[in-house]
Amino acid sequence: GAGVSQSPSNKVTEKGKDVELRCDPISGHTALYWYRQSLGQGLEFLIYFQGNSAPDKSGLPSDRFSAERTGGSVSTLTIQRTQQEDSAVYLCASSLALTATYSNSPLHFGNGTRLTVT
Amino acid sequence: GIQVEQSPPDLILQEGANSTLRCNFSDSVNNLQWFHQNPWGQLINLFYIPSGTKQNGRLSATTVATERYSLLYISSSQTTDSGVYFCAGVNMNRDDKIIFGKGTRLHILP
Repeated sequence: GAGVSQSPSNKVTEKGKDVELRCDPISGHTALYWYRQSLGQGLEFLIYFQGNSAPDKSGLPSDRFSAERTGGSVSTLTIQRTQQEDSAVYLCASSLALTATYSNSPLHFGNGTRLTVT
Repeated sequence: GIQVEQSPPDLILQEGANSTLRCNFSDSVNNLQWFHQNPWGQLINLFYIPSGTKQNGRLSATTVATERYSLLYISSSQTTDSGVYFCAGVNMNRDDKIIFGKGTRLHILP
């Protein structure tokens, strides 16, 4: 697609339920990143993928969070047994390649999924 | 410790004014990028600027990698420039983890 697409744009769920957030990166982008942004705050790194591989999962807040990427394209962030502190905007970004190894690989963000846990 | 630090945290200016936003980054951080988050939350990449100077219309950015800082210049500011400006860099000690500063919140008054 023309840009990074995230769905749903808004999600309201009850505490204790599981949620899945989807990210469809720009076609051809091999690197994909997930961030979380609480109201009025900066961006908290969660996880990144190079292809289908996630070399560093240390940013995930707890073991209730997991992410996968299949076919080097779509990624899903899953939050199990949601808690109120999980409420935030979850942002996905993609880049042509890993920015550490490719000299011109800016990040492009989707519009985010606003998650509200009641 | 803080690896990407931005200043000032908040800035209020009259329309037409110029502004300079600063980003300091530690030795382990490289490949700076600047982003604008508009009041609706959308994040737009402004510049990918590991070093040197780039310009795009009223905006320009300069990164002096040897001195570990980057500056974003906004000239003749407009109300549409309001929002939060983030800089981000790659943490070379943690593979490709891209970390963000806390942002500068800019409010342009009409």
